[in-house]
Amino acid sequence: EIVMTQSPATLSVSPGERATLSCRASQSVSSHLAWYQQKPGQAPRLLIYGASTRATGIPARFSGSGSETEFTLTISSLQSEDFAVYYCQQYDNWPPWTFGQGTKVEIK
Amino acid sequence: EVQLLESGGGLVQPGGSLRLSCAASGFSFNNYPMSWVRQAPGKGLEWVSSITYNGGSTYYADSVKGRFIISRDNSKNTLYVQMNSLRAEDTAVYYCARKSGGSWFDPWGQGTLVTVSS
Repeated sequence: EIVMTQSPATLSVSPGERATLSCRASQSVSSHLAWYQQKPGQAPRLLIYGASTRATGIPARFSGSGSETEFTLTISSLQSEDFAVYYCQQYDNWPPWTFGQGTKVEIK
Repeated sequence: EVQLLESGGGLVQPGGSLRLSCAASGFSFNNYPMSWVRQAPGKGLEWVSSITYNGGSTYYADSVKGRFIISRDNSKNTLYVQMNSLRAEDTAVYYCARKSGGSWFDPWGQGTLVTVSS
């Protein structure tokens, strides 16, 4: 099973600032990585797939990069609606499809 | 608009059973594999089970293997999971999700809460 590790657990950022979230895979997943955003009381929403392709309707301030074992989600200028929990997920080697434990982006 | 609507959650005693349903609309349900993903209170996301577009293959997390059964009725555009021998650790919000492309999950339903407690 591929273990996904996200860091940091919590990221405190001021509105308008840049946020950088990390996700590490225990073995190579090529570019088979997705990112999701989850707000309190809501279902997760797909942001990024293929490590760097934005899903339909996702603003350009969200960008993904990386390959193999190291991945990054960057939010270029945080808006109030971006404060949420973010999860990475690998789909290279399955089952199981595995998620990271999440990074909470909170207001500084 | 693509929509997924789960139902069937509730309170059940340890050892009991429950069947969740997920009604799909707005897309060709019979063309897509589907999945269940759960989230325990205050915790992260855990993949539970997946089924291919025609139901020919099913996959389960080790934590539910032998206790949960995923199925689908393409004539009714509905996904199911039969949950047996439920344990306290199965308490979670259960989401159904469409598997897309290379196997990311998009979209997700709003979730249904399953509480296993005496």
